Amino acid sequence: SAVISQKPSRDICQRGTSLTIQCQVDSQVTMMFWYRQQPGQSLTLIATANQGSEATYESGFVIDKFPISRPNLTFSTLTVSNMSPEDSSIYLCSVESGRSYGYTFGSGTRLTVV
Amino acid sequence: TQLLEQSPQFLSIQEGENLTVYCNSSSVFSSLQWYRQEPGEGPVLLVTVVTGGEVKKLKRLTFQFGDARKDSSLHITAAQPGDTGLYLCAGARGTDKLIFGTGTRLQVFP
Repeated sequence: SAVISQKPSRDICQRGTSLTIQCQVDSQVTMMFWYRQQPGQSLTLIATANQGSEATYESGFVIDKFPISRPNLTFSTLTVSNMSPEDSSIYLCSVESGRSYGYTFGSGTRLTVV
Repeated sequence: TQLLEQSPQFLSIQEGENLTVYCNSSSVFSSLQWYRQEPGEGPVLLVTVVTGGEVKKLKRLTFQFGDARKDSSLHITAAQPGDTGLYLCAGARGTDKLIFGTGTRLQVFP
């Protein structure tokens, strides 16, 4: 299965600033997924990032707030813009590793906005 | 709207007890996956079930996919402290995105 390197692992940011999260995959993948996990809760899909096209955002998430880049088949970034305390969450990237392996996740970025 | 509801939301048990976690939906999924997540880590796949009525066993864990492919259950026999974590079901429709359930947080005490 794929191996994902996600960074930073955690950060504490001031409100009004932006943070860019990076995910590097050890193999080429068509789609990369970005999730948010609020404290004590399950995962909510933010957007699907395809190489060479704009990301597809889920209801409740917009590009201005969560711009995504996908410059090649092994890398993607998610930016959390103009942050507020409500953005404090764990952000995870994911790729599909094939039917037998399910989805592989990065270890997550724990973001605290103060 | 959460498409996959898990129950119970929290479960705190003693080592050696058995437990069942349920994952229910009104939607049909082509496959359903179960993950376990530990603090500071991303979810890790436990099993994928794809056929209605399918039962899969992974050591002390038994997974079942409902006949109509709308629901699933996870049964753990003789729970151990190492089973502690957040259990998540997730449904897929074909090659589309994965939708996660509401989660069940399990704590097993020695």
